[in-house]
Formats: sequence, structure tokens, C-alpha cells
Amino acid sequence: KNEVEQSPQNLTAQEGEFITINCSYSVGISALHWLQQHPGGGIVSLFMLSSGKKKHGRLIATINIQEKHSSLHITASHPRDSAVYICAEETSGSRLTFGEGTQLTVNP
Amino acid sequence: GAVVSQHPSWVICKSGTSVKIECRSLDFQATTMFWYRQFPKQSLMLMATSNEGSKATYEQGVEKDKFLINHASLTLSTLTVTSAHPEDSSFYICSARGGVDSLETQYFGPGTRLLVL
Repeated sequence: KNEVEQSPQNLTAQEGEFITINCSYSVGISALHWLQQHPGGGIVSLFMLSSGKKKHGRLIATINIQEKHSSLHITASHPRDSAVYICAEETSGSRLTFGEGTQLTVNP
Repeated sequence: GAVVSQHPSWVICKSGTSVKIECRSLDFQATTMFWYRQFPKQSLMLMATSNEGSKATYEQGVEKDKFLINHASLTLSTLTVTSAHPEDSSFYICSARGGVDSLETQYFGPGTRLLVL
């Protein structure tokens, strides 16, 4: 059983919609990562956070340490946001354990 | 932002041959590099953690004699898949920790697709 669980597994949205992807983890972590993987496979690190909230452009990531839960929000979604979004928990030694990803499709 | 490159981006080889994949941090010194493997429709799995000048630490179930890792410098790590078999066909991704800021986040390479015939 994966220690990092994401929901939903698949998400289809219309352009402009507000999107939320959720991530739950089971152990104490040093940081929580949100990554974006495009169809070609390349991975981009979106956020690394250990508390509170971070914002970058239309992306917002939040984390609740007590509830072991993090969310990734995308405001005013666009077709170019279509990708797989992956959360990963970082534990000691910088070791990452990945969720199975959320496939996001934004239709024009 | 920081850039990590991988070479080659894809490789096809015959069963029994060895394949070397390079991972370079282009504009920063990576204190640690990581190697991951991703099978289709699955999440990434950490294979090993590599620190410059020391032996790699392999995850449980990863054969160290089959997946040789050499971290020769602060900007280069190599993964050699020895005596490759079709079941080794996968997407191999490296990441490097360290960077131009103090946060030391992980920067991912673009990946290498390996197909063993």
C-alpha cells in the first residue's frame, strides 16, 4: 500500500475552472513536494513545503502537518496545465516516496 | 532555475549488453543525486541515493551489482545497467539536490527511456 495517496486519480476540467488535487501521507516528513510530469516524461518541481502555504503564479500549495494532508490548487486553469501532478513525501536522507499521480486534462 | 541534464534521452539495446546513463547538474554543485525508475502507468520509485565520492545507497530490492552507480564529481553521476534484460526496460530519471538558492530542493532530469530487446 502506497504511503502517499492522491485524489482524484483522473480529473477533467474546462478551461478557467479552479482545480484542487489532494494528497495524504502517513509518516512524519521533512517536506512535501508537488511535481508536474508532462507526457514526454520530464518532471518539473513545483513546490517544496513543510508548513503553511506557497504560491507561484496560478498555483497554490498548502499543507496541514497535523492532518498529514496537502492540496495543490490551480486557479484559472488552462489547457497547457494538462499533465500528471505528483505529490511526494520527503523523509530522512532526502528520500522521496511518490504518490501515483493525478492525471489532469483541461479542455478548451 | 537549476538545470539537470541526462544523456542519452532514449536508448534501445540488445539483451545482455550494458547501458550507461549520465546525469549532470549544469549550473550548480549537487551534494546528492538520486536515481529513479518509472514503469508505465506507475509512480516513480527510488532506486538509489548517490553522494559524491562515496558508495551509493540502494533501496531494498535494487541489485547493486546490476545497477552500478558512480558519482565521480559534484556535477556528474552515472547509472550503468549491466547485462540488461527486457524487464529492465523503463524510464530512468535522475534528480540532483543542491542549487542556486539555500532551499536545496531536488531538480529532476528529463529522463532516459530504455528499451531492451
